[in-house]
Amino acid sequence: AQSVAQPEDQVNVAEGNPLTVKCTYSVSGNPYLFWYVQYPNRGLQFLLKYITGDNLVKGSYGFEAEFNKSQTSFHLKKPSALVSDSALYFCAVRDYGQNFVFGPGTRLSVLP
Amino acid sequence: DAEITQSPRHKITETGRQVTLACHQTWNHNNMFWYRQDLGHGLRLIHYSYGVQDTNKGEVSDGYSVSRSNTEDLPLTLESAASSQTSVYFCASSEEVGVSYEQYFGPGTRLTVT
Repeated sequence: AQSVAQPEDQVNVAEGNPLTVKCTYSVSGNPYLFWYVQYPNRGLQFLLKYITGDNLVKGSYGFEAEFNKSQTSFHLKKPSALVSDSALYFCAVRDYGQNFVFGPGTRLSVLP
Repeated sequence: DAEITQSPRHKITETGRQVTLACHQTWNHNNMFWYRQDLGHGLRLIHYSYGVQDTNKGEVSDGYSVSRSNTEDLPLTLESAASSQTSVYFCASSEEVGVSYEQYFGPGTRLTVT
């Protein structure tokens, strides 16, 4: 079965600094990978995905993610963090059929 | 604009009562999903449907049921609510078209079982 790990429960970064939220995965076959963001009392919002092609994927709100097949990782990055980026971030991998498996989430706090 | 809505947004019920949470999407997506979100567990799949009259059990389906009579709606029913079902419930939908696989989520329903 597919699985996703997010090794950090919490990431703290100062505003203006680069941020990284880590994700590793385990799949059989080609991975389809996704990042979502959840703001308080809201549903999950799609940020970006890797299906095929370039290993560096660009998404919404200035976020990007780097797919690394040899390290089975799909880390989320942003060059300059904003306080408004503070939220809960989920990595997901496509499972059988159209289903997703989600990681446990990483809480990002951007400090002013 | 297309969207996915859930109702109610908040619900308090008593143990043993039947509860139904509504999910309605205007994306015209064939695939619909119900998840629950609990601290420390992320999102766990309860039930899913790939089309009208199709329903399937997910990872944590015990005590829940769904029915799909049209494309737009996938109501989630708790047959006899238990305190362990206190959670935030999210509905999602998707359509596999080209390389578009992402799921779109509703705003969630916070359910408290007392």
